[in-house]
This record gives sequence, structure tokens and C-alpha cells, in this order.
Amino acid sequence: GDSVTQMEGPVTLSEEACLTINCTYTATGYPSLFWYVQYPGEGLQLLLKATKADDKGSNKGFEATYRKETTSFHLEKGSVQVSDSAVYFCALSEPAQGAQKLVFGQGTRLTINP
Amino acid sequence: DADVTQTPRNRITKTGKRIMLECSQTKGHDRMYWYRQDPGLGLRLIYYSFDVKDINKGEISDGYSVSRQAQAKFSLSLESAIPNQTALYFCATSDPLGGSYGYTFGSGTRLTVV
Repeated sequence: GDSVTQMEGPVTLSEEACLTINCTYTATGYPSLFWYVQYPGEGLQLLLKATKADDKGSNKGFEATYRKETTSFHLEKGSVQVSDSAVYFCALSEPAQGAQKLVFGQGTRLTINP
Repeated sequence: DADVTQTPRNRITKTGKRIMLECSQTKGHDRMYWYRQDPGLGLRLIYYSFDVKDINKGEISDGYSVSRQAQAKFSLSLESAIPNQTALYFCATSDPLGGSYGYTFGSGTRLTVV
């Protein structure tokens, strides 16, 4: 079945550092890929998405590129802020399968220190 | 008002008790979902519903049941709560394309079974 694997956390960085959170996936078809963010005490919010190979999703300074050849969707940001501290989830959905359910990675907790 | 509202936000219950978690949405979407979040495991799908008459089991439905009372309402019940059902529960809804534009999540219900 479909699956998503994220890099192990937690990740702790200093403000203005560069961030990469790795995400790889296994899917039978052509999934859409997502990054969701969960701030403390809140539900998940869509951060960015990409629906086909080579698409780049971007939002709030974060970027991720859909790489079909490496089945990856790594999340990057050039200069992180304290307010970026949250849990980040990589996810996929496969509309072609009809079920169209989101499959999540295990989440990566990010802490940014001032 | 939030697009997806979950009640209660927090609940402590005893082993063997029946408990219902409620979810309502104002997005006008047909598709609704219940997920469970455990540390290090990401979110796992319990049940999903594509319309009022269509309810399906997810990957971890044992010990749970659901009711879709209306397009806007989707409730999750634990028939006889057990301690390993202690978790954070999220309700979500998605667009007609099955999430290609992202899911909308509620703020979650933190359930503790003692």
C-alpha cells in the first residue's frame, strides 16, 4: 500500500538557519503530495502541495519539489524563524484509486531557538 | 466560526465507558474523515464518509463506530473505551476532488481513557 516516510525528529535549529525535512513516498499511481503543519494546540493546516512531477509548492517561505525519479518531496526553507516551531507532516493522496484518502508520514517536530 | 468544529476539546473517561466525539463542518463538502494521532505514528484513518449514505472503514476502525447524521455532521463513538485509545482525534473534510486542494482539519479532541 501507499506509505510516506519522513526524517526522524525532533529537529532543533537556531533562528535564520536553513531547514530541510526529508520526505519519501511509496505509491502505486500518481499521487498528489502535501505538507501540513501543526502548531501547538491546533489542528493541521495545509502548508503547500504539488499535484504532478516537477511541480514546486511554496508558501510562507517554505518550498518543496515533487521529484518522481527519487519519489521525494523534501521541505525546505532558507531562513527559519521562531514562529516556524511546529510539527510538520508529509502526506499523499491518490485520486486515481477512488478512495482519495490522505496517507501521512509520522511527523517531524521542529523547534527554532532564538 | 471555524470551518470544522470538534467537541469536546478535551475529555477524560473511564475504561469501559461509551463516549461520542462530535464534528461539524461549514465547508459544504460531502467528504468527511476521522483520524487518530499518536506520537511518532502520524495520523491514521479510522473512518471516512463520502456522503451521508456512504461510510467506510479506515485502517484502524476496530473499537470505533461512526454516524453521519447530516452532510455537515460526522460523529465518532468508542463503544467501550480502553486505555490504548488515549490519543488526539481529528475530524477533517475535503473538497469534491478528494483532497487535491487539501483537507480542512478541526482543532482536535484530546481523549484520555483511565
